Amino acid sequence: QVQLQESGPGLVKPSQTLSLTCTVSGGSISSGSYYWNWIRQPAGRGLEWIGRIYTTGATNYNPSLKSRVTISIDTSKNQFSLRLNSMTAADTAVYYCARDSPSTNGRFDDWGQGTLVTVSS
Amino acid sequence: QSVLTQPPSVSGAPGQRVTISCTGSSSNIGGTYGVHWYQHLPGTAPKVVMYANSNRPSGVPDRFSGSKSGTSASLAITGLRAEDEADYYCQSYDSSLSGYVFGTGTKVTVL
Repeated sequence: QVQLQESGPGLVKPSQTLSLTCTVSGGSISSGSYYWNWIRQPAGRGLEWIGRIYTTGATNYNPSLKSRVTISIDTSKNQFSLRLNSMTAADTAVYYCARDSPSTNGRFDDWGQGTLVTVSS
Repeated sequence: QSVLTQPPSVSGAPGQRVTISCTGSSSNIGGTYGVHWYQHLPGTAPKVVMYANSNRPSGVPDRFSGSKSGTSASLAITGLRAEDEADYYCQSYDSSLSGYVFGTGTKVTVL
């Protein structure tokens, strides 16, 4: 059973760039056909898909965040990462990493526990 | 900015039946991609309780059922139990956005 674990700063200043990493254990990030996703939940609001990266390195992003988001993958470390620039208070949220595959039609079977990121000076 | 609309809350007494609707459009639920449902408890990761419209993962009680018709989907919980109290989200793929979309979320309260 694959496990995912988010890591990164819990506090980011406005206008700065958020960098989060998701470490995958229990399996190789480059084996099989999987999408590696970032999803967030602002306080008191619903889930929002941020974007995904395929094992080939191909990416797709939520159009509402596309101009500020970069997702990358490091197969040597079994990790994938999120960078979100120009952070504002509206980006304060719990950030999750999750896995899905083309064969499951976008079903997120495996999730990290989530990490709270607060944007404040 | 969710494109899938759910009622903010539903409630029922133990043993009763509740239904959560999820309304979308032709570019998501009405398309070829299925709808998945997640149960989300505070401080935990969301858990799949229904996938591809009406399929229940192993370990999910058969009190949970799902359906899809046109541009809407629904999740029903029968024999409501205290442990079902949680937030529930529908999710699908949107071809016009080329990405995944979640519903607005529904809080299920067991009275």
